[in-house]
Amino acid sequence: EIVLTQSPGTLSLSPGERATLSCRTSQSVSSSFLAWYQQKPGQAPRLLIYGVSNRATGIPDRFSGSGSGTDFTLTISRLEPEDFAVYYCQHYGSSLFTFGPGTKVDIK
Amino acid sequence: QVQLQESGPGLVKPSETLSLTCAVSGYSISSGYYWGWIRQPPGKGLEWIGSVYNSGTTYYNPSLKSRVTVSVDTSKNQCSLKLTSVTAADTAVYYCARFGGGKNYFDYWGQGTLVTVSS
Repeated sequence: EIVLTQSPGTLSLSPGERATLSCRTSQSVSSSFLAWYQQKPGQAPRLLIYGVSNRATGIPDRFSGSGSGTDFTLTISRLEPEDFAVYYCQHYGSSLFTFGPGTKVDIK
Repeated sequence: QVQLQESGPGLVKPSETLSLTCAVSGYSISSGYYWGWIRQPPGKGLEWIGSVYNSGTTYYNPSLKSRVTVSVDTSKNQCSLKLTSVTAADTAVYYCARFGGGKNYFDYWGQGTLVTVSS
C-alpha cells in the first residue's frame, strides 16, 4: 500500500508570494497516477492537476505541477486571495486511491 | 453538465447501517466512467472508501472493506454506498465522485452530505 506524505502541514504566505507544496510517495509511482486537488471550507475538493503536470479545465496557469518517482510538487507562482485553501495530492494504483493528509495554505 | 448529488439520512445510530445514494445527472452512469465514494471527518483529510465500475466490479479501501458495499443502479442513474456497523468514527462528510475513461483522478464531485453517527 502506497502512503502519501505532504509537507509542510501549514504554509503561511502573503498574497503575491510563491507557494511550493510537496507530496512524497512511499514508493516510486508513475507520473500518470498523481493528481492534486484544492479544497475550500464547506466545499467539495476541486481537481487542479492530473498526471503530475496537466492542469484541469479552467485552472489558471499560476498553478503548476512537477516531479517524478517519489517526489512531487505543486507550485502556485503568485498567490491570489482565492488560493488560500487546503491542497491534497492523490495517487491511483492497483485500482485503489490514496490521498495525502493535505497542506493548508493560509494568509500570513 | 455532469452533476452529482448525494442524499441520505444525516443521523445514524451506532451499530446501524449508513446508506447513501448519489444521483447523477447530465451523464449516463453506464457509459464508461466509474464512480467513487470519499469521506472527510470534520476538520480532517480525505479518505477514499470505495469505487464501482460500470461493469459492477468494486474496489474498497482495505481498512473499510469488511463493512462497505458500493453499487450502481443504471435504471435510476445513481450509485449507492452502504457502511455497516457504524461508530462515531464514521461521522464525516461523504462525497461521491466520477473517475475513469482513462482518468485516474476524480473530475466531478458531489457537494457532499454530512452523516453524524450518534445515539
